[in-house]
Amino acid sequence: AQSVTQPDIHITVSEGASLELRCNYSYGATPYLFWYVQSPGQGLQLLLKYFSGDTLVQGIKGFEAEFKRSQSSFNLRKPSVHWSDAAEYFCAVGARQTGANNLFFGTGTRLTVIP
Amino acid sequence: KAGVTQTPRYLIKTRGQQVTLSCSPISGHRSVSWYQQTPGQGLQFLFEYFSETQRNKGNFPGRFSGRQFSNSRSEMNVSTLELGDSALYLCASSQQPSGNTIYFGEGSWLTVV
Repeated sequence: AQSVTQPDIHITVSEGASLELRCNYSYGATPYLFWYVQSPGQGLQLLLKYFSGDTLVQGIKGFEAEFKRSQSSFNLRKPSVHWSDAAEYFCAVGARQTGANNLFFGTGTRLTVIP
Repeated sequence: KAGVTQTPRYLIKTRGQQVTLSCSPISGHRSVSWYQQTPGQGLQFLFEYFSETQRNKGNFPGRFSGRQFSNSRSEMNVSTLELGDSALYLCASSQQPSGNTIYFGEGSWLTVV
């Protein structure tokens, strides 16, 4: 069965600092991988996705993520954080083999940005 | 292009009542799935519909049900509401049932009192 681990519940960074949010997954093969962001009271906005090909994927708002098969990881990075990036971030895994469209989500990482 | 639209955005119900939530997917998207988000359990998959057929179901009791119409719009229903059903219910859509980007709506906030 698929599972996703986001080991950091809460991260605080200074505005302008770099950011890395960790995501590890458990799946028998190469899954579909997603990062979503959720602002308070809002739905989920897609930041980026990995289906196949280049393991370094670029997303919106200056975010990127790297798929590392050997480490079963899909960490999210941003070189310089803006105050508006404060939100909750979710990593999600989709099953490739089953053809199912359901996602398994991590528990989320809440990002606080200090001026 | 309009995003995934969910109605109502906020509602309050009493224990024992039932509720119906509606979701209009992105135009051209035929797969619709539903998720429940709570502080304790996080984001959990409820079910997925494609071409009016339920293709996949999460681990929720039978009180949770859904359907999809020929225009791809979907509804989910929760009967005999319990306090623990208080949650943000998120609808998501994609073009096909697999291998496509999944887009989420803003959600419907359900409070059961």
